[in-house]
Amino acid sequence: SAVISQKPSRDICQRGTSLTIQCQVDSQVTMMFWYRQQPGQSLTLIATANQGSEATYESGFVIDKFPISRPNLTFSTLTVSNMSPEDSSIYLCSVDFATSSYNEQFFGPGTRLTVL
Amino acid sequence: EDQVTQSPEALRLQEGESSSLNCSYTVSGLRGLFWYRQDPGKGPEFLFTLYSAGEEKEKERLKATLTKKESFLHITAPKPEDSATYLCAVQAYSSASKIIFGSGTRLSIRP
Repeated sequence: SAVISQKPSRDICQRGTSLTIQCQVDSQVTMMFWYRQQPGQSLTLIATANQGSEATYESGFVIDKFPISRPNLTFSTLTVSNMSPEDSSIYLCSVDFATSSYNEQFFGPGTRLTVL
Repeated sequence: EDQVTQSPEALRLQEGESSSLNCSYTVSGLRGLFWYRQDPGKGPEFLFTLYSAGEEKEKERLKATLTKKESFLHITAPKPEDSATYLCAVQAYSSASKIIFGSGTRLSIRP
């Protein structure tokens, strides 16, 4: 398993500003993922972040709005840019542990973002 | 297109009343089916990964089973602390570790 921490745990931001969310893992991992969970909804993948390469974004999410950094194997950031109230969500990072015999993904505690 | 459908949307049980949650899925080449528990305001907590039809896994009062089209999460003699949202997700071999979530089942156990 993995211990995943996120900062901040929550924030209230003004429309038009940006927020950077940090994700730290206690072990080295190849793949990290960023998800969004809108109020009362399930999780939607924003992008996959591999160390040393550009993040891969899912349909409906673009780099200008959600830039991601992955400077090493234990850390990643997600920035929510030019925020609007529709960006109010919980943002979660996750990591993948997979071998030929098992496959598990673990999630951080989430960052609750409210945009006014 | 890969899809996951969970039912019921919400389930209220009396303490000790056993039941099952359903997860129906469509995926091109199942690499794994995941069950998570999510408490309000927290990230999903990993419970199980199932890999092939016929497989079963257990953890305390929870037992997950898998067929070629669906998975069940059986809850035996639940307690109020089992109240949470239970999420099902699938991963395809072609997806490069991407997992697709269902909408979840909100489980409430009354004492």
